[in-house]
Amino acid sequence: DAKTTQPNSMESNEEEPVHLPCNHSTISGTDYIHWYRQLPSQGPEYVIHGLTSNVNNRMASLAIAEDRKSSTLILHRATLRDAAVYYCILELAGNQFYFGTGTSLTVIP
Amino acid sequence: DAGVTQSPTHLIKTRGQQVTLRCSPISGHKSVSWYQQVLGQGPQFIFQYYEKEERGRGNFPDRFSARQFPNYSSELNVNALLLGDSALYLCASSLVLGWGETQYFGPGTRLLVL
Repeated sequence: DAKTTQPNSMESNEEEPVHLPCNHSTISGTDYIHWYRQLPSQGPEYVIHGLTSNVNNRMASLAIAEDRKSSTLILHRATLRDAAVYYCILELAGNQFYFGTGTSLTVIP
Repeated sequence: DAGVTQSPTHLIKTRGQQVTLRCSPISGHKSVSWYQQVLGQGPQFIFQYYEKEERGRGNFPDRFSARQFPNYSSELNVNALLLGDSALYLCASSLVLGWGETQYFGPGTRLLVL
């Protein structure tokens, strides 16, 4: 069962904001939402995570819908180094991550 | 500090053989998880270990097994290999076992079964 749904691909112009959506309609109250990104031939890299409230860090912002059935990863100014596959993940039990199929982000110079 | 390390980086096996993959977590991390990533898909959870005990198992057959050692390193074993076991096997470590903990992934071992 797909626990998260993401668009297969998105494009963004360099230095513009990017909003990556994710649907997780079966989320329950204790499930954390994590976002990781993965470059070719590398392991996934942590981006951000949250439970109920919106979160900000130096890499990105995470906006979580009030009903928690969807979330959006926001990259404030896309750079060429942000081109990667972005995974929206539900943590259904402590440390057990359930990945979606990911969104391949292309950044256009 | 060194990140999560995995060995070997690449491996070629034939159907029916057995394989052992190794993972060293970040120093001080006590939880190790294993994931399988088939080409073009997101990683799938296989196992989770904490303090040398299995704490979680994904939907994988009994051909898959793992263990964690006193130094918190871990091995993943796969018996009777099938062509469909060809994948990138990822190891991730976290400081403790708990909700909302960040996991740090290694570069993976790429297994090809012929």
